[in-house]
Amino acid sequence: GAVVSQHPSRVICKSGTSVKIECRSLDFQATTMFWYRQFPKKSLMLMATSNEGSKATYEQGVEKDKFLINHASLTLSTLTVTSAHPEDSSFYICSAQGGALAKNIQYFGAGTRLSVL
Amino acid sequence: SQQGEEDPQALSIQEGENATMNCSYKTSINNLQWYRQNSGRGLVHLILIRSNEREKHSGRLRVTLDTSKKSSSLLITASRAADTASYFCATEEGTYKYIFGTGTRLKVLA
Repeated sequence: GAVVSQHPSRVICKSGTSVKIECRSLDFQATTMFWYRQFPKKSLMLMATSNEGSKATYEQGVEKDKFLINHASLTLSTLTVTSAHPEDSSFYICSAQGGALAKNIQYFGAGTRLSVL
Repeated sequence: SQQGEEDPQALSIQEGENATMNCSYKTSINNLQWYRQNSGRGLVHLILIRSNEREKHSGRLRVTLDTSKKSSSLLITASRAADTASYFCATEEGTYKYIFGTGTRLKVLA
C-alpha cells in the first residue's frame, strides 16, 4: 500500500521558536496533502488542504500566517508552526492522496507530537 | 465542523466478542470510510463504502451503510487484543475533503 512518512515524530521547542514538520509520500505522487491537528482523545481537525504548486486552502479559524504550509513537490509538503506558543502544543498529522495508488483514500503519516515549553 | 458522530464513544469488550460501532452524518455523501488509530499514531485506512453500496466486508470487518438514515456501522468480529484502538468514520465533503467523526475508543480485554 501507499506509504506516507512524517518527520519528526516528536519535537520539543521553546516558546517563540519555529518548528517545521515534513510529510512525504514515498511511493506515490500526492496531488493533495492534508494537515490535521488532534487534541487528546478527540477527533482530527482539518487545518488545511494543499495541492502541489498552489497555495494551501485553510479551514476557518486556522491562521495561515501561524501555520505555513508548502507543497513544493508531488511528494513533499511541509507545515511550519511559526513563533510557537504553549497553546500550539498538539498532535499534528498529515495525509496524502493522489494517483492510482491513493485515489479516494487518504494515507496518513504517523503524526508529530509538538510540545512547546 | 465535524460531520460524523460516532457512538459509543468508548467500548470495552472481551477478546472473542464482536464489537459494533456506529457513525451518523448529516449531509449527502459520495462515500464513507473507516479508519483506525492506535494511540499516538497516524490513522490507517480500513474500508471504503460507496453511497450506492449497502454492505462491505474485509476480513473480520463488516461495514454497512444506510443512506436513508445517514448512518453507517462497523462490526469487528472475533475481536482480538490487537484491535484495541480508536476507530473513526470519515465522510467526503466536497472534493477530496474528508470530515472525521468523533471516534470510538475500543478496548479489547485479553
